[in-house]
Amino acid sequence: ETGVTQSPTHLIKTRGQQVTLRCSSQSGHNTVSWYQQALGQGPQFIFQYYREEENGRGNFPPRFSGLQFPNYSSELNVNALELDDSALYLCASSLGANSGNTIYFGEGSWLTVV
Amino acid sequence: AQRVTQPEKLLSVFKGAPVELKCNYSYSGSPELFWYVQYSRQRLQLLLRHISRESIKGFTADLNKGETSFHLKKPFAQEEDSAMYYCAQGGRRNTGKLIFGQGTTLQVKP
Repeated sequence: ETGVTQSPTHLIKTRGQQVTLRCSSQSGHNTVSWYQQALGQGPQFIFQYYREEENGRGNFPPRFSGLQFPNYSSELNVNALELDDSALYLCASSLGANSGNTIYFGEGSWLTVV
Repeated sequence: AQRVTQPEKLLSVFKGAPVELKCNYSYSGSPELFWYVQYSRQRLQLLLRHISRESIKGFTADLNKGETSFHLKKPFAQEEDSAMYYCAQGGRRNTGKLIFGQGTTLQVKP
């Protein structure tokens, strides 16, 4: 059984650029959630994808968007990067969209915006 | 808005001492509450959830609806318990959204 994997692990972007982060869900999981974790803070929910549809969104602007593919892997896209977007981006997968289901996290992608 | 508060950023205890990591939530209904742990150089992982009423690695957490608290306790801390602990609350039933507190670093000294 493979766990949640994310890529890239680290990247540096310039303000105004666009970034795509990728996530492979744990085998058998059909639900992927994305979280942003700023330094010294707890993770903040960005959105969730369940069976390729967005199923809930946190308080993030539209320039944060995502996709889920038929194999349940997912992408997080951020346009017009701002300095405050610098954070650890965590992907989590689960079997089903209910928050009662155990959620498994990846190791995250560290994004630095300069 | 739903909110989870962990008032202590750092809790430092000696090995063998009791530990209590505080967590307060704001939700008037029946919340789903969790404790997640992140050991050094490892990913965030579920420690326990209130609904299962289990004890994991000697830790327990009791939901107190009157005080809206879900404190994590262990009677005798071990050095390997040193980690970052996050309290989290489930959002609306069908979104899988978790609302996390800011986290408490537990440092267990020998």
